[in-house]
Amino acid sequence: EDQVTQSPEALRLQEGESSSLNCSYTVSGLRGLFWYRQDPGKGPEFLFTLYSAGEEKEKERLKATLTKKESFLHITAPKPEDSATYLCAVRVSNDYKLSFGAGTTVTVRA
Amino acid sequence: GAGVSQTPSNKVTEKGKYVELRCDPISGHTALYWYRQSLGQGPEFLIYFQGTGAADDSGLPNDRFFAVRPEGSVSTLKIQRTERGDSAVYLCASSLEVYTEAFFGQGTRLTVV
Repeated sequence: EDQVTQSPEALRLQEGESSSLNCSYTVSGLRGLFWYRQDPGKGPEFLFTLYSAGEEKEKERLKATLTKKESFLHITAPKPEDSATYLCAVRVSNDYKLSFGAGTTVTVRA
Repeated sequence: GAGVSQTPSNKVTEKGKYVELRCDPISGHTALYWYRQSLGQGPEFLIYFQGTGAADDSGLPNDRFFAVRPEGSVSTLKIQRTERGDSAVYLCASSLEVYTEAFFGQGTRLTVV
């Protein structure tokens, strides 16, 4: 069965303290790995799509990378407004749905 | 509208009642998804529409759940004989085409008392 596992469950950072979130997956025929940000009481907000190993995407202080077994979301010099839950999801060939991990909740203290 | 719109934002209903949740996708998006999210968990797939037809309803938990998209735009998720275990946030998402990124609405928080 396809699985998506995110670690750690929670991450507390000081403002400016860079760190990485992990998303490991065991799927056959990856057709895209997606990162979303979710604020409390809101729906997930799309961040990145990665399709093949070695691919990287950047947006402001966030950078996503992909290998054959996992993806990392690097947060460089985070600010308090980066506090949120970050969700990882995969889509496989011949299937349309996204399968999500449980998320990593990031708290950045000023 | 600019994004996916879901109504109502919150719904409190009594056990055994019928509820309808509405989703208005981004204009022009052909694919529409319903997900359910419980506290501390990632969204869980319920059903996927391509156009007017339900292409995959394998995530619907039982026959109390049903969804329609009659004109290929707005969708309604219908839950009959609600149970307390149905309490969750119901999320709708749309994408321009199959395999492209999906954009989510703000969700409907359903509470069954």
